[in-house]
Amino acid sequence: AQTVTQSQPEMSVQEAETVTLSCTYDTSESDYYLFWYKQPPSRQMILVIRQEAYKQQNATENRFSVNFQKAAKSFSLKISDSQLGDAAMYFCAYRRGGATNKLIFGTGTLLAVQP
Amino acid sequence: NAGVTQTPKFRVLKTGQSMTLLCAQDMNHEYMYWYRQDPGMGLRLIHYSVGEGTTAKGEVPDGYNVSRLKKQNFLLGLESAAPSQTSVYFCASSDPGGGDEKLFFGSGTQLSVL
Repeated sequence: AQTVTQSQPEMSVQEAETVTLSCTYDTSESDYYLFWYKQPPSRQMILVIRQEAYKQQNATENRFSVNFQKAAKSFSLKISDSQLGDAAMYFCAYRRGGATNKLIFGTGTLLAVQP
Repeated sequence: NAGVTQTPKFRVLKTGQSMTLLCAQDMNHEYMYWYRQDPGMGLRLIHYSVGEGTTAKGEVPDGYNVSRLKKQNFLLGLESAAPSQTSVYFCASSDPGGGDEKLFFGSGTQLSVL
């Protein structure tokens, strides 16, 4: 069974600084996708970034980027120039490619941004 | 465009009572999902549907039933609520794809079972 592990329950970063959130996963599949979702206090789940396993190039979305290490099964999220609005719970998620669309989530990392 | 709408947003039940959570999406998505979110456990899939009239079990289906009679609606039922079902429930929808498609989430239902 596939699993997703986020070993940092809480993180803190100073405004304008950079922070990296860790995520590891376990799978025997070769075709899969990885995601980072953000959940602010409003509870709304927001897709931050996604990565296809077959792509070696790391995905980037403005201030958000990932470090995808396929052999190590690691998928960390880097937030640059942190802003107060980045404070939220961040979930790493995995989905096997193909017809099964079940998204498997990690336990989340609560990020605080200090002014 | 409302996206994914969940009703109610909050509910308090007594042990043994029943209730139905309604999820409605206006994006004509084929796939719909019900997740529950508990502290320290992330989101776990309860049931999902890949089309009108279909349902399938997820990771934690016990104590829940679902129905997808109309494409736009996905109902989650609790026949006899238990305190262990106290949680935040999220509905989501998506289009079929190769796996990288985005899930659209509702804003959640906070359910307390006393």
